[in-house]
Amino acid sequence: DAGVIQSPRHEVTEMGQEVTLRCKPISGHDYLFWYRQTMMRGLELLIYFNNNVPIDDSGMPEDRFSAKMPNASFSTLKIQPSEPRDSAVYFCATKRAGSTDTQYFGPGTRLTVL
Amino acid sequence: GDSVTQMEGPVTLSEEAFLTINCTYTATGYPSLFWYVQYPGEGLQLLLKATKADDKGSNKGFEATYRKETTSFHLEKGSVQVSDSAVYFCALSYNNNDMRFGAGTRLTVKP
Repeated sequence: DAGVIQSPRHEVTEMGQEVTLRCKPISGHDYLFWYRQTMMRGLELLIYFNNNVPIDDSGMPEDRFSAKMPNASFSTLKIQPSEPRDSAVYFCATKRAGSTDTQYFGPGTRLTVL
Repeated sequence: GDSVTQMEGPVTLSEEAFLTINCTYTATGYPSLFWYVQYPGEGLQLLLKATKADDKGSNKGFEATYRKETTSFHLEKGSVQVSDSAVYFCALSYNNNDMRFGAGTRLTVKP
């Protein structure tokens, strides 16, 4: 199994630009999670999906952030417009249905907004 | 709300030393408890977990016991290796969806 795939691995952009982060879940996993990791705030859950439907987006910081899951094989996290304080590592994680199943994390995308 | 507090790092040990990383939790119910490990440049990986009081999770020489009376889930290893250098996260969850992570503890093991 290829594991959770995220792209790009690194992104450097200028303030005000649109940023799109991508995630391909492990095949057969019904849940998909987006996290943000910063030194100041640690690891924060932004949003998660079940069967492509957003279940809890209470962690999304503001309207500049949006996430979609158009099908079971792909999800995006978009920031528009980006700001320097958005600089962080963004992780995607997925898991199978069932309360005992573990979340599997991707390698992350390191975003730097100048 | 429910939360996890873990000891601040960084922790630096010599190879073969004994490791303890403290983790305490605050919870209204009876969550499952987890330890995740993050190696440089990688995502988090589940190291071990325990689902109820007095359960002991173990993996790769690491172990942790779910202590309800002290609301703790301390991570221990008897003899660390250089390859154990990583950041360790304690976490809790009721359904493995809404995970609450601690701040992470960076461990460096020197040869």
